[in-house]
Amino acid sequence: DIQMTQSPSTLSASVGDRVAITCRASQSISRWLAWYQQNPGKAPKLLIYEASTLESGVPSRFSGSGSGAEFTLTISSLQPDDFATYYCQQYNSPPWTFGQGTKVEIK
Amino acid sequence: EVQLVESGGGLVKPGGSLRLSCAVSGFTFSSYVMKWVRQAPGKGLEWVSSIDTSSSIIYYADSVKGRFTISRDNARNSLYLQMNSLRAEDTAVYYCARAGLKNYIVYWGRGTLVTVSP
Repeated sequence: DIQMTQSPSTLSASVGDRVAITCRASQSISRWLAWYQQNPGKAPKLLIYEASTLESGVPSRFSGSGSGAEFTLTISSLQPDDFATYYCQQYNSPPWTFGQGTKVEIK
Repeated sequence: EVQLVESGGGLVKPGGSLRLSCAVSGFTFSSYVMKWVRQAPGKGLEWVSSIDTSSSIIYYADSVKGRFTISRDNARNSLYLQMNSLRAEDTAVYYCARAGLKNYIVYWGRGTLVTVSP
């Protein structure tokens, strides 16, 4: 199974900050990586797929990069709605595995 | 508008069974891979099972293999998860989800809570 490891687990930041979350796969997954945002009590929301393709309707302050085994989600200027938990997910091969999550909290 | 609405969750004793259902609307159900993903209280996301459009290709997480069965009824626009031999560690919110062109998830339901407890 492919293991997905996110860092950091928690990130404290302020509105307007640029933040980056890293996701590492235990083996190469090409560009088969998605990022999701989840607010408390809500279902996750797709932000990015194929490592860097922004899902329709997602603000352009979100961007994704990387390939192989290392990926990054960047939020260019943190907004109040962005304080949430973020998950990466590989879809290179089953079982489709998620990272453990990164909580972005208000500093 | 795309909608995925789960039902069938509840409280069940260890060793018991439940059948989750997911009614979908707003897209051509028969054209998409469907999934179940769960989230234990305060924990992260865990993929549970996937089924392709014709029910020919089915995958399960090792944690549920042999106990859970995914199925779909394309005529009824519905997805199911039969859960047997339930354990305390199966306690979670279960989300019904629709895949995109590949196995990322574009749409999620609101989830249904399954609690396994004596």
